[in-house]
Amino acid sequence: QVQLQESGPGLVKPSGTLSLTCAVSGGSISSSQWWSWVRQSPGKGLEWIGEIYHTGITNYNPSLKSRVTISVDKSKNHFSLRLTSVTAADTAVYYCAKVSPAGGYGDYIDYWGQGTLVTVSS
Amino acid sequence: DIQMTQSPSSLSASVEDRVTITCRATQGISNSLAWYQQKPGKGPNLLLYDASILASGVPSRFSGSGSGTDYTLTISSLQPEDFATYYCHQYYSTPQTFGQGTKVEIK
Repeated sequence: QVQLQESGPGLVKPSGTLSLTCAVSGGSISSSQWWSWVRQSPGKGLEWIGEIYHTGITNYNPSLKSRVTISVDKSKNHFSLRLTSVTAADTAVYYCAKVSPAGGYGDYIDYWGQGTLVTVSS
Repeated sequence: DIQMTQSPSSLSASVEDRVTITCRATQGISNSLAWYQQKPGKGPNLLLYDASILASGVPSRFSGSGSGTDYTLTISSLQPEDFATYYCHQYYSTPQTFGQGTKVEIK
């Protein structure tokens, strides 16, 4: 069974850059089609940030697209999230997730990491 | 963006009760819908995908139905471990979106 573990700073200053990594264990990052980032805050609930294919193709939420970069490192079996120009509104629990192909349209998230709280504050 | 509206936002129920949660999309999503259970401090856990397919290891008391814009999660006989928050999630189109959650509490 695939396991996912987020890591990164828990505190980021306003206007700074949030950087998180998701370590994948129990399977190869190249074996799944897509890998995703989702965040959860009291004010906005669950918000899909974006996803990356193991070849490096990405899809982003248009609301965040100008500030987000998701990348993959197959040699380390992990993928990463970078969010620039953060504000207090970016304070949330950030989850990485594995995506599986559905029978019809789109792909669904089947495994989630435990999540990591990132607070934006000076 | 497709908006997902869940109802109710919270409910109180007793063990062995039948519980139904609904999710309505602002446009048709062709059964591209998943349901998740989340407990405090944990990531969401997949219950169903493609509206009605039970994920591996999920008890059969959970079921899903629906089509078009309207979908339902049913717990046929609520168990103590089922008290949690439930979310629907559409993956039909980008950006993927989630319902606001339904908290199931003990009566």
